[in-house]
Amino acid sequence: GAVVSQHPSWVICKSGTSVKIECRSLDFQATTMFWYRQFPKQSLMLMATSNEGSKATYEQGVEKDKFLINHASLTLSTLTVTSAHPEDSSFYICSAEARSGGAAYEQYFGPGTRLTVT
Amino acid sequence: AQSVTQLDSQVPVFEEAPVELRCNYSSSVSVYLFWYVQYPNQGLQLLLKYLSGSTLVKGINGFEAEFNKSQTSFHLRKPSVHISDTAEYFCAVSDSWGKLQFGAGTQVVVTP
Repeated sequence: GAVVSQHPSWVICKSGTSVKIECRSLDFQATTMFWYRQFPKQSLMLMATSNEGSKATYEQGVEKDKFLINHASLTLSTLTVTSAHPEDSSFYICSAEARSGGAAYEQYFGPGTRLTVT
Repeated sequence: AQSVTQLDSQVPVFEEAPVELRCNYSSSVSVYLFWYVQYPNQGLQLLLKYLSGSTLVKGINGFEAEFNKSQTSFHLRKPSVHISDTAEYFCAVSDSWGKLQFGAGTQVVVTP
């Protein structure tokens, strides 16, 4: 089946530093990847849609200069949290899109990255 | 615009008892419907999906769901739960463009 990995799975950083999270589709090519944020005991909130070779599309209220997304290849998208602050601490999950019959698409999710900013 | 409502935030259930998780959606276009499970500190795993065809969808781990267009519902059921089914369950809807809209989630707690 389709497998998506994320690295790192867990990271602690100091306030003011930047952190890069990688999302890879291991056995398929994904022209589109999505980045989500999940606070404890809450649902997933879509942050941005990442398309290979083009700029990411950010959801309303997401700071594009703070959450830099790069989708340089069909198997890799990265999310960089710049100048991280404690309020950026969260669980970040990516997904990669694959066609799933007819015109429908299915998203395969990575295992998530726990970011803690101290 | 699409939205998803999961009517129960938490569902306690005894082991080997049946469980039903309710999901209602609203959308002005044709939709695709999904149920995902999330175990603590993990990503999401697809349980089942409805794209078209038969309204009764069978998924992994003994789960099934029924798409009811007139009631705009996609309730998830399992006839007999195990302790290992303790997890968070998310209903989601997408259009043909692929963006998923998630419900708030339902925490299932299975006790012996």
